[in-house]
Amino acid sequence: RKEVEQDPGPFNVPEGATVAFNCTYSNSASQSFFWYRQDCRKEPKLLMSVYSSGNEDGRFTAQLNRASQYISLLIRDSKLSDSATYLCVVKPYSSASKIIFGSGTRLSIRP
Amino acid sequence: DVKVTQSSRYLVKRTGEKVFLECVQDMDHENMFWYRQDPGLGLRLIYFSYDVKMKEKGDIPEGYSVSREKKERFSLILESASTNQTSMYLCASRGQLNSPLHFGNGTRLTVT
Repeated sequence: RKEVEQDPGPFNVPEGATVAFNCTYSNSASQSFFWYRQDCRKEPKLLMSVYSSGNEDGRFTAQLNRASQYISLLIRDSKLSDSATYLCVVKPYSSASKIIFGSGTRLSIRP
Repeated sequence: DVKVTQSSRYLVKRTGEKVFLECVQDMDHENMFWYRQDPGLGLRLIYFSYDVKMKEKGDIPEGYSVSREKKERFSLILESASTNQTSMYLCASRGQLNSPLHFGNGTRLTVT
């Protein structure tokens, strides 16, 4: 079983729709959680950190469920520019260097 | 804003050449990382450095070495480039332990 699992997609949704992704992680001793977006042939860019109480940044909402070991990302009123691959990133307590990247969920917004 | 700068966006090298990839960050971060990213394999850690002159092997260090002589600079060295090292190379830095990584804009290396 992978340490971090994401639905690879692609998710193909119309502009203005709401879309949600989940990411599950296997190590219950995980410490920090993040969502990154990556455009084709570019570097990953931090979208948002994920906090236990949940957090929102404009149209984006992130949630953490420690009991069920998953994090989620909700995008409201999706824009064409939201088309990208979304990476779930988990940092366990175990070591300073270990950071686990999900394989990414591809999102395509159509006009 | 954190700025992580990689010296080259695109590089083409021949098999057997020694290749240097440079990375500089401007936020006084102690932790720096080198990853490679390949389709279907995701991001894989090559080397990690937690301080000047300190380094730790990642998951795929074979064929690579690193140098961290100054805090802001972390170099990746391919001692003798091979075609299977054709990849996208990503440098990243991090401040505190629970902080997110900040990536450079990547170097797409082709070894022919």
